Amino acid sequence: DTEVTQTPKHLVMGMTNKKSLKCEQHMGHRAMYWYKQKAKKPPELMFVYSYEKLSINESVPSRFSPECPNSSLLNLHLHALQPEDSALYLCASSPWAPGSGNTIYFGEGSWLTVV
Amino acid sequence: DAKTTQPNSMESNEEEPVHLPCNHSTISGTDYIHWYRQLPSQGPEYVIHGLTSNVNNRMASLAIAEDRKSSTLILHRATLRDAAVYYCILSNAGGTSYGKLTFGQGTILTVHP
Repeated sequence: DTEVTQTPKHLVMGMTNKKSLKCEQHMGHRAMYWYKQKAKKPPELMFVYSYEKLSINESVPSRFSPECPNSSLLNLHLHALQPEDSALYLCASSPWAPGSGNTIYFGEGSWLTVV
Repeated sequence: DAKTTQPNSMESNEEEPVHLPCNHSTISGTDYIHWYRQLPSQGPEYVIHGLTSNVNNRMASLAIAEDRKSSTLILHRATLRDAAVYYCILSNAGGTSYGKLTFGQGTILTVHP
């Protein structure tokens, strides 16, 4: 079962709201990722967790706050977002700590609209 | 970070082979070459990866040039379901880019019936 599950699939939030995106995998993977994808653009890496510790933060604004409660779960907490943050947010996982030969498995994504 | 260059778009007919090129002239000796594809309204999907030797799997083949400065993804018989954006990506074994999978612009593949 090579599946990364993301919820919700669609989210509309106001600029003053606080919401969270959730991601789950049961493949025993020890690395998890958040990517952001704008329309007709490639995915951009935001965060990497390795063995439940944040290992890469691509200078993402603090209004995005990642959390990895355990090796199967990854959250992205959203607060005071701007309309330009509207995008597809992709979660991914890989078997072990990020490295060259890893295969990364992506979820279907959460479509976020900020109004 | 080493970069990749791909054509913006390519077209193919159904049941014909497709050769998707990728240039990576600044590749380092420890960089793996990955290919992912993204179908409309879906997350990216792993296709294949390799280091130096050519690789085959049930989805595709990866041909890597001897100097590793270019590679080609080969779909042996294109189907309509292969219409997607194909990304050629390098991942690095060390340095500040360790663990990153940085997507380039990709190639939009259109498959005609």
